[in-house]
Amino acid sequence: SAVISQKPSRDICQRGTSLTIQCQVDSQVTMMFWYRQQPGQSLTLIATANQGSEATYESGFVIDKFPISRPNLTFSTLTVSNMSPEDSSIYLCSVPGLAGDNEQFFGPGTRLTVL
Amino acid sequence: GDSVTQMEGPVTLSEEAFLTINCTYTATGYPSLFWYVQYPGEGLQLLLKATKADDKGSNKGFEATYRKETTSFHLEKGSVQVSDSAVYFCALSDRGKSTFGDGTTLTVKP
Repeated sequence: SAVISQKPSRDICQRGTSLTIQCQVDSQVTMMFWYRQQPGQSLTLIATANQGSEATYESGFVIDKFPISRPNLTFSTLTVSNMSPEDSSIYLCSVPGLAGDNEQFFGPGTRLTVL
Repeated sequence: GDSVTQMEGPVTLSEEAFLTINCTYTATGYPSLFWYVQYPGEGLQLLLKATKADDKGSNKGFEATYRKETTSFHLEKGSVQVSDSAVYFCALSDRGKSTFGDGTTLTVKP
């Protein structure tokens, strides 16, 4: 299994500002995923971050709003730009397991509140 | 694209009652199926999984069987406890990317 940490664990931000969330994995992985969980809702995939190439965004998510960096095989950042209260969510990163059974391991999440 | 349809909630049961949470899926490939649990104020935890048709995943008294013929992965527990109160998510995963159902909130009363 993979051990994933995220920073910060939570934050309260003012509208119009940006927040960068960090995700660190204890092993090298090719793909990392970023999800959003809005209050009372399910998880929605934002983008897939591959090392050495630009992130691939899902429908409804754009790079200008959610820029992603993937400088190496154990680390990624997600920035939530020009925040509004609608961005208040839990943001989670995840990585695939190594067993080849499609399992994913999730970080503890970053709880963001935008005022 | 892939999708997961989960039984609507919330579900309220008395302690020791039988639990079923329905989950059906649509997938173009051959996904693995998962149930995750999220306790109040906590992160997402894997509850159980099944990787191919007819596999049964089980953990902590919960079970689910991968039914390819009905494209289902219903979660069951014979006797729920107050500590099982949480949100349960059905999910499928293919090539490392997961698709989640909307979640079902379970409340178990003493």
